[in-house]
Amino acid sequence: GAGVSQSPSNKVTEKGKDVELRCDPISGHTALYWYRQSLGQGLEFLIYFQGNSAPDKSGLPSDRFSAERTGGSVSTLTIQRTQQEDSAVYLCASSLDFGSSTDTQYFGPGTRLTVL
Amino acid sequence: ILNVEQSPQSLHVQEGDSTNFTCSFPSSNFYALHWYRWETAKSPEALFVMTLNGDEKKKGRISATLNTKEGYSYLYIKGSQPEDSATYLCAPTSGTYKYIFGTGTRLKVLA
Repeated sequence: GAGVSQSPSNKVTEKGKDVELRCDPISGHTALYWYRQSLGQGLEFLIYFQGNSAPDKSGLPSDRFSAERTGGSVSTLTIQRTQQEDSAVYLCASSLDFGSSTDTQYFGPGTRLTVL
Repeated sequence: ILNVEQSPQSLHVQEGDSTNFTCSFPSSNFYALHWYRWETAKSPEALFVMTLNGDEKKKGRISATLNTKEGYSYLYIKGSQPEDSATYLCAPTSGTYKYIFGTGTRLKVLA
């Protein structure tokens, strides 16, 4: 079946603009996660959705970052007033179950965001 | 689990060589460890999930072992091929969904 998809694959934007990144998880997966990888860093957890609710937003780096999920499916990560330090690869993942340490998270190909 | 270290950061090997790399993590509060392979421009691909001390998993030429008492896991690749070139990530968890990823080992296999 189809895997996790993300769009756009690449986004170049000017400092101060808002951007929206989209994630389509695997059908039937209840849990959805957003991560980012900045240059030279490991994958950093941003936010987790259980269905449409986000019980853990602890990883969002600032209030310029927000995310939502609708219909238990598609999720959008929005970054307002982008800054150069927001440049990174943003990855989305989904898993069948939630709260499970052994459940495999399946990743999308990522969106490479470059803020000029 | 806050501190995950992977070593080496990068390595180049010749086609046909066998290689291994390490993931180190605090042994307290350990619950499971995930290994992923991330090829350039592709999605990270799940390789293994391991939970028990002494666990050994194998997938083709790739295998992994787990020592939860001392807090490390080894990933082995036997007879490396150019298509094995990727970044290998480990992510231990402490009983929740939250993966804490290491920075990865970047492997380049030279033909």
